[in-house]
Amino acid sequence: EIVLTQSPDTLSLSPGEGATLSCRANQGIRNYLAWYQQKPGQAPRLLIYDASIRATGIPARFSGSGSGTDFTLTISSLESEDFAVYYCQQRSNFIAFGQGTRLE
Amino acid sequence: QVQLQESGPGLLKPSQTLSLTCNVSGSSMTTDSYYWSWIRQPAGKGLEWIGRIFSSGNTNYNPSLKSRVTMSIDASKSHFSLKVTSVTAADTAVYFCARNNYYFFDSWGPGSLVTVSS
Repeated sequence: EIVLTQSPDTLSLSPGEGATLSCRANQGIRNYLAWYQQKPGQAPRLLIYDASIRATGIPARFSGSGSGTDFTLTISSLESEDFAVYYCQQRSNFIAFGQGTRLE
Repeated sequence: QVQLQESGPGLLKPSQTLSLTCNVSGSSMTTDSYYWSWIRQPAGKGLEWIGRIFSSGNTNYNPSLKSRVTMSIDASKSHFSLKVTSVTAADTAVYFCARNNYYFFDSWGPGSLVTVSS
């Protein structure tokens, strides 16, 4: 079973700062990794797929990188609407999510 | 633009069967090559994938829920459904339906809260 571990659990930053969120898999998953943003009371929104491809309509300040077991979501300059919970997700024998990182 | 909308009872008693339907618009379930998934989220917790179904009826389920889950689809009517038997309080969650584009989820419904309580 492939397990995704996100770090940190909580990241405290201010608008204008850069954010770096990590997602680590316990086995190699090539580049089959997606990132989502979820705000309170809303469904998750797809940000990144295939580790580094921005989904339609996602601002350029969001970028993804990594391959194999270590992945990163970077937000270059935080805007107020970016404070949310972020999840990574992989596909293997079945689909699973990381536990989430709260950006506050 | 694809839109999804969950519907179904919001309150169940323990041991009952949870039944939810997801209505899809803006995407043809009969011609488009997507899987359609259910995902749930207990209050204050993370996301758990329940399973997915293709227009042909082919399904994949999360092994942790497989024994209690059944998914079905009526592509001609643009909806798919979820049944979870023998529910307990641990099944209380917001249930999302989503379009599965390859392995990721590119469109989501707003979610439907299901509470299991005696």
